[in-house]
Amino acid sequence: QVQLVQSGAEVKKPGASVKVSCKASGYTFTSYDINWVRQATGQGLEWMGRMNPNSGITVSAQNFQGRVAMTRNTPISTAYMELSSLRSEDTAIYYCCTGSTSAFDYWGQGTLVTVSS
Amino acid sequence: SYELTQPPSVSVSPGQTASITCSGDKLGDKYACWYQQKPGQSPVLVIYQDSKRPSGIPERFSGSNSGNTATLTIGGTQAMDEADYYCQAWDSNTVVFGGGTKLTVL
Repeated sequence: QVQLVQSGAEVKKPGASVKVSCKASGYTFTSYDINWVRQATGQGLEWMGRMNPNSGITVSAQNFQGRVAMTRNTPISTAYMELSSLRSEDTAIYYCCTGSTSAFDYWGQGTLVTVSS
Repeated sequence: SYELTQPPSVSVSPGQTASITCSGDKLGDKYACWYQQKPGQSPVLVIYQDSKRPSGIPERFSGSNSGNTATLTIGGTQAMDEADYYCQAWDSNTVVFGGGTKLTVL
């Protein structure tokens, strides 16, 4: 079965960067885009961007352009999302997700990133 | 930028029908999908391509999309359906989520 397993919680200081991993299994990693979505406590879902694991081409949401980098290590079926210049407002749960249609059938368990001095 | 608007909350009695709307400019020209999220859990896709149900989603979940409004309908609502629901669509190669609707089963 399809699974997306994310790395563990992180605590970072303002101005630092964080890198979250998302290991895929149960399907061909290069078949579907990996998307990243975040959710601040008590807030809604916010799309950050997506990456084509085959080509490495990425599309970022306007709010994150210049601050987010999405990469992959294809041999180990793992995608990464790195967010830089962290501020307190970036404290949130970060999810990776994917799917074969225009929707996201599969989600990771989420990674809590806390930004605090 | 494109926006999707949902009511913050909807209440329904057990066994009744719940309808949650999602509004956006010419939304009917795009595919809409819906996610259910319970506290402490990742979102779960319940409707995709306007009205299709993924495997394992109960038949009481249905969807429609026309004009400027997509609607998620839950027939015979059960206590287990109490959750936050988010609509989602694509616009100009980017993903847009609605603000979410808290469904309360009273």
